[in-house]
Amino acid sequence: GAVVSQHPSRVICKSGTSVKIECRSLDFQATTMFWYRQFPKQSLMLMATSNEGSKATYEQGVEKDKFLINHASLTLSTLTVTSAHPEDSSFYICSATQQGTHYGYTFGSGTRLTVV
Amino acid sequence: AQSVSQHNHHVILSEAASLELGCNYSYGGTVNLFWYVQYPGQHLQLLLKYFSGDPLVKGIKGFEAEFIKSKFSFNLRKPSVQWSDTAEYFCAVRSGSYQLTFGKGTKLSVIP
Repeated sequence: GAVVSQHPSRVICKSGTSVKIECRSLDFQATTMFWYRQFPKQSLMLMATSNEGSKATYEQGVEKDKFLINHASLTLSTLTVTSAHPEDSSFYICSATQQGTHYGYTFGSGTRLTVV
Repeated sequence: AQSVSQHNHHVILSEAASLELGCNYSYGGTVNLFWYVQYPGQHLQLLLKYFSGDPLVKGIKGFEAEFIKSKFSFNLRKPSVQWSDTAEYFCAVRSGSYQLTFGKGTKLSVIP
């Protein structure tokens, strides 16, 4: 079945630095990828939607200059958290789908970001 | 905007008990409906989905869900839970675009 690999699974960084999270679809072409943020005991909150080769569409309240999303190929999307602050500490999850199919959505295993 | 409500935050059951987790959504048009499960320390996995056809959908591990359009509901059921079903369950809805809207999740704890 469809597999999405997300890397790294855990990262600790210093305040003010940037962190890049990768999301790869391993056996299908992900025309659309989604980035979510999950707070403890809460649901997944959609941050942005990216289509391959296009600029990402950010949800209201998500700073696009802080959370840079690149979807340069059909198998790779990256989320870069720039100038990270402790309040950016969270669990980030990517998801991928192939438009026009009933693949549904395949989720990565998530990245636990801790900013110290 | 679409919203998804999961009524129970935490459900505790004994093994062999029956399970029903509620899910209601707000959008009145065409929807695709999903239930995902997140086992401790693991990523989200698809349990089942409804796109069209028979409103009673059977998924993996003995789970099923029934789409009732008039009630905007897509409740998840399992006749007899096992300890291994301990996890968090998320209902999700897609309407109009490729974006999914998730409920807040229901944590299920099954006591042996």
